[in-house]
Amino acid sequence: NAGVTQTPKFQVLKTGQSMTLQCAQDMNHEYMSWYRQDPGMGLRLIHYSVGAGITDQGEVPNGYNVSRSTTEDFPLRLLSAAPSQTSVYFCASSYGTTGELFFGEGSRLTVL
Amino acid sequence: AQSVTQLDSHVSVSEGTPVLLRCNYSSSYSPSLFWYVQHPNKGLQLLLKYTSAATLVKGINGFEAEFKKSETSFHLTKPSAHMSDAAEYFCVFYTGGFKTIFGAGTRLFVKA
Repeated sequence: NAGVTQTPKFQVLKTGQSMTLQCAQDMNHEYMSWYRQDPGMGLRLIHYSVGAGITDQGEVPNGYNVSRSTTEDFPLRLLSAAPSQTSVYFCASSYGTTGELFFGEGSRLTVL
Repeated sequence: AQSVTQLDSHVSVSEGTPVLLRCNYSSSYSPSLFWYVQHPNKGLQLLLKYTSAATLVKGINGFEAEFKKSETSFHLTKPSAHMSDAAEYFCVFYTGGFKTIFGAGTRLFVKA
């Protein structure tokens, strides 16, 4: 049982480049979300999805796009990377309305 | 407004001594509260959760937390720290409707 899988684990970008962080879960969870983690700030919600075809903005959505074409996959796109997007990104999923989140191992992104 | 506050950014204990990580919440209704642990370069893992069934909640690895409505607290404790407990701990408030609020985190150091 793989749970939540994120790729890549590490990425270095130059300012203005684009990239996609991949997230896949094999637990048939309806809810998926992306967070960024910065020192002393906990985790902040970027975007989330409550099912295929449904996405919404979180607390810090600017500079990021998402889509949800299948239940399993929830990619996060950076269209034009900025140094302020240097962070560790976590994908999480959950079932129903329990609030319990299952996390991937994170993707560390550096934007130069 | 709903919020969660972790009162200490760092806690240092000696191996074999008790651990206390403090968390206060603000809510006008009975919350769902969670503690997650994050080991270095890993994703977050659920330690325990409170969902109003019992005020004393037991989790994995010997941790427990007590929900105290009168004090609006949900402190995490462990009778005897182990070196492997060194990690960052997050208190999390689930507001319902897929909305989750993370505390800023408490980093636990365990001295030999």
